[in-house]
Amino acid sequence: GAVVSQHPSWVICKSGTSVKIECRSLDFQATTMFWYRQFPKQSLMLMATSNEGSKATYEQGVEKDKFLINHASLTLSTLTVTSAHPEDSSFYICSATDLTTYNEQFFGPGTRLTVL
Amino acid sequence: DAKTTQPPSMDCAEGRAANLPCNHSTISGNEYVYWYRQIHSQGPQYIIHGLKNNETNEMASLIITEDRKSSTLILPHATLRDTAVYYCIVRADSGNTPLVFGKGTRLSVIA
Repeated sequence: GAVVSQHPSWVICKSGTSVKIECRSLDFQATTMFWYRQFPKQSLMLMATSNEGSKATYEQGVEKDKFLINHASLTLSTLTVTSAHPEDSSFYICSATDLTTYNEQFFGPGTRLTVL
Repeated sequence: DAKTTQPPSMDCAEGRAANLPCNHSTISGNEYVYWYRQIHSQGPQYIIHGLKNNETNEMASLIITEDRKSSTLILPHATLRDTAVYYCIVRADSGNTPLVFGKGTRLSVIA
């Protein structure tokens, strides 16, 4: 199956700093990528839908100025957590849809963010 | 909001079949039933999906009732590595539509 990678796999940062997380589709092109976050012992919550070459669509309650999403190419989307605070500590997961197998959504391994 | 209902947890003996139920009574005619699983601290892994016919692949079988209001995921011979949270999701046939996760079923395979 198709492979989605994320970098970094984990990051620790100080409160007030910004952190960028990359999501790449390694062997396929993805016009649409999705970003989720998952708090401990909870399910995945959709944050935003990222479309190549256009602005991301954010879910209700997700601050677009705090979680900046860029999808500049068919294989790369980035999520930047700006001015991170301890409550932003979470597991961030991206997914991408393969244009050739349109129904299947492939997930990255996730990035664990810890804000001190 | 998730459109599915699953039991919060289940146990299964190693080597036995694991049958995970899912209710989706409000499913629409163009919506598929997807199953994903998430092993601790990893991204979700696709298992199987179907519209109305039963489906089988190397990982599992999916049985969908005739009225499509419920389904069952079957892992024929569960192993310890199948311990995970299993999510049943309904989604329209479109790659641009995100998967909306419910709470899933935590399956524990016991030796």
